[in-house]
Amino acid sequence: GAGVSQSPSNKVTEKGKDVELRCDPISGHTALYWYRQSLGQGLEFLIYFQGNSAPDKSGLPSDRFSAERTGGSVSTLTIQRTQQEDSAVYLCASKGTSGSADTQYFGPGTRLTVL
Amino acid sequence: GQNIDQPTEMTATEGAIVQINCTYQTSGFNGLFWYQQHAGEAPTFLSYNVLDGLEEKGRFSSFLSRSKGYSYLLLKELQMKDSASYLCAAPNTGGFKTIFGAGTRLFVKA
Repeated sequence: GAGVSQSPSNKVTEKGKDVELRCDPISGHTALYWYRQSLGQGLEFLIYFQGNSAPDKSGLPSDRFSAERTGGSVSTLTIQRTQQEDSAVYLCASKGTSGSADTQYFGPGTRLTVL
Repeated sequence: GQNIDQPTEMTATEGAIVQINCTYQTSGFNGLFWYQQHAGEAPTFLSYNVLDGLEEKGRFSSFLSRSKGYSYLLLKELQMKDSASYLCAAPNTGGFKTIFGAGTRLFVKA
C-alpha cells in the first residue's frame, strides 16, 4: 500500500478484556516497530521485528503484551487482560531496511481506551 | 544508558524564528532524527543528521554537534501550521532501536 495502515483506529474496551491491534506496513519494508504514546508523552518503544530474525521484545511492559508478524508483513499486537494504564495510542512504524539512516514511516495509530 | 532531553513546551510568534534544542546520550552514535507530530496524528520525518554541522531544508534546518551530544531544529518564517510537537530521536548501537525524546510542543501565535 501507499503507507502504513493500522486498525482499528479507535478501540474502547473494558478492563480485563483482551484486544488485538493490527498493523499493515509499507509493502517490502523489512523492519516493523510498535510504540506506545500516552497523552502528551513521547514514544515508548515496545517491540521490533526485522526480517526473519527473532524480534527485540525488550520494550514490552509486561507479559500481558505480545506481538507477532506473520509472513514478514502484517503484525498484530495483543494485550491480554487489559488494565486502565494500557490506555494510550499505539503506533506502528515500518522501515525499508535495518540501516540506521533510514527513517521510520508511521501509521495513524490505534487509540485504545480501557474503561 | 541512553537518554534524550528536550524542552517540554515553547511558544513563538508567526513569522519569527524558533530553535528547539535536544541533548542526547547514547551508547554509540548512529545519527539523529527530528520528527514532527501534529496533535492526533502520527509523527512524520523532518531530518536526519549524522555529520556535524547544519543541514538546511527549506524553512527547517537541523544542526548536530557530536562532540557535545547536541542538536537543534531551527524553524524560520513560522506559520500557524507549524504548531505541533517536535520529537528528537536517536538510533541505538546497531541502529535497530530508536530512542525518542518526549517531544517539544510548539505553539505558534498570531
